[in-house]
Amino acid sequence: DQQVKQNSPSLSVQEGRISILNCDYTNSMFDYFLWYKKYPAEGPTFLISISSIKDKNEDGRFTVFLNKSAKHLSLHIVPSQPGDSAVYFCAASARRGGATNKLIFGTGTLLAVQP
Amino acid sequence: DAGVIQSPRHEVTEMGQEVTLRCKPISGHDYLFWYRQTMMRGLELLIYFNNNVPIDDSGMPEDRFSAKMPNASFSTLKIQPSEPRDSAVYFCASRREGGGNTEAFFGQGTRLTVV
Repeated sequence: DQQVKQNSPSLSVQEGRISILNCDYTNSMFDYFLWYKKYPAEGPTFLISISSIKDKNEDGRFTVFLNKSAKHLSLHIVPSQPGDSAVYFCAASARRGGATNKLIFGTGTLLAVQP
Repeated sequence: DAGVIQSPRHEVTEMGQEVTLRCKPISGHDYLFWYRQTMMRGLELLIYFNNNVPIDDSGMPEDRFSAKMPNASFSTLKIQPSEPRDSAVYFCASRREGGGNTEAFFGQGTRLTVV
């Protein structure tokens, strides 16, 4: 049972355009969401996060949007750069009420930014 | 700090052999996670520890898998006996308690191939 879903295994975007990566979740207890970026032969690195009390968080070229009613979040990268080419993982956790601290990850989306 | 350190980086072993993967978390971090990355399931949480105590091992696939954390600076994931379907990249991650930030830092992973 995949609680965090990334339905697009890959995405190709032209340099300078916007990249939009999508993520859906099923567990309504999730209240904290993160995006990780992974280059080949390296471990995932933290990119940006958002708490369920917000619907948007921005950090430079990266913005994460959260739609709690739809149980959907997205990562926008604008403008996209060739160095952004990597696998992007969406992750979620439930922190309220003594819930567990584990991060549940999606299957990842491979972003290719074409020069 | 050198970050989360995993060894070995690559392991090739024959079916039926015992495999031990090692992890040194970031000093001062209270949580340690073991993940397995596969194409089909993405980053799958196997087990996590809090203050060296296993908290949730529900992701451990079978009794062939075991994990220990004898002290705050070392953890092992053992597979005995190994099978070809165990071939994957295994990641260790750690994070600090509290602060509302559940960002976890990952090691570079161990690529396991069972032939």
